[in-house]
Amino acid sequence: AQSVTQLGSHVSVSEGALVLLRCNYSSSVPPYLFWYVQYPNQGLQLLLKYTSAATLVKGINGFEAEFKKSETSFHLTKPSAHMSDAAEYFCAVSGNFGNEKLTFGTGTRLTIIP
Amino acid sequence: EAGVTQFPSHSVIEKGQTVTLRCDPISGHDNLYWYRRVMGKEIKFLLHFVKESKQDESGMPNNRFLAERTGGTYSTLKVQPAELEDSGVYFCASSPLKTGQETQYFGPGTRLLVL
Repeated sequence: AQSVTQLGSHVSVSEGALVLLRCNYSSSVPPYLFWYVQYPNQGLQLLLKYTSAATLVKGINGFEAEFKKSETSFHLTKPSAHMSDAAEYFCAVSGNFGNEKLTFGTGTRLTIIP
Repeated sequence: EAGVTQFPSHSVIEKGQTVTLRCDPISGHDNLYWYRRVMGKEIKFLLHFVKESKQDESGMPNNRFLAERTGGTYSTLKVQPAELEDSGVYFCASSPLKTGQETQYFGPGTRLLVL
């Protein structure tokens, strides 16, 4: 069984400030982990993924995440927020056999303050 | 390359009516997934096709939901009869059937409102 907890359904940061979105997971097998982003009126877009290679994963638009097995975490960060980062962010987990279903967290809506 | 497409983008129906959602995956993707997000809650898995076969339908809520993927190309998800709690956004995703291809590509979703 797998589950994902995203702390904070709403996060607000000032433009230029650090973005930190938290994700903790539970998995009975070695996990694959994903961050997806949904911009207004659009579908889900993959930001980055961890698939048991490097623990620090870099994604699109300057985002990165670090897999920490001891903390069962996969937090998403970006050093400097931009107005265009305003969106909803979803953390997801799957097993590591490939072609498996995703289990999502409840999402975090990120607001950027000018 | 065209992405995953879904039709319709929005649907408003009355309780008891039937609605059919369609998903066209990326060409060549044998894996096709359906997910649903009820307002304010997490995106939940419904089912997974590999080509035309149902690989996992453990997330289907009840027998009012029927998914098909004839010919292993596009898929339909029919809700009959629709209930108020079926309202939400229905997402379709696809991926290639290859080792190391874990990324699921999502469509824009169909927003279903049952009144």
